[in-house]
Amino acid sequence: DAGITQSPRHKVTETGTPVTLRCHQTENHRYMYWYRQDPGHGLRLIHYSYGVKDTDKGEVSDGYSVSRSKTEDFLLTLESATSSQTSVYFCAISESKSPENIQYFGAGTRLSVL
Amino acid sequence: SQKIEQNSEALNIQEGKTATLTCNYTNYSPAYLQWYRQDPGRGPVFLLLIRENEKEKRKERLKVTFDTTLKQSLFHITASQPADSATYLCALDVNNAGNMLTFGGGTRLMVKP
Repeated sequence: DAGITQSPRHKVTETGTPVTLRCHQTENHRYMYWYRQDPGHGLRLIHYSYGVKDTDKGEVSDGYSVSRSKTEDFLLTLESATSSQTSVYFCAISESKSPENIQYFGAGTRLSVL
Repeated sequence: SQKIEQNSEALNIQEGKTATLTCNYTNYSPAYLQWYRQDPGRGPVFLLLIRENEKEKRKERLKVTFDTTLKQSLFHITASQPADSATYLCALDVNNAGNMLTFGGGTRLMVKP
């Protein structure tokens, strides 16, 4: 998975609890992304980062926050998990902005919010 | 509304036949389009990229076409094998800003021996 490690791989949590997912890369790529994948919706972008401390919102950012204090780590936090955030979360990295922006994905984190 | 549409129904074909998957989009003028493969329980894997000025791109048994007038890309797998069974996703940079991709919902391909 292109030097990308997501942790944990599986997590079960309760509604209202905070959750942090971690994405770690060894490729020194500038861009990092968090997606969620749900049946009927495909992959949807939550947040992305274009450098250390530089982040921006994606299509479905409500209820999520991110942080990137080092090039290699991109954290996704659910401040107060809800059942609607039960999903499979994927991290992706990309070396360059343009023109191709080919993305490399981690193996995913399966999150269940009960 | 802006959409990227792929056939949500699974495509079942016999081994050795050519599989053709469709990606349609509306209200975009993308500079390029990408195709990814996703196996169950895994993240997507990049396969091919085709630019707006390219009509066709090939890689081994894979062929992608891009018709910017029809706003459609076709993804072909020739001489299909059971190992080709997976979900295939198309993706566009809808803003042409180079920093985000928007994915279609994917089409599941099942190749039967």
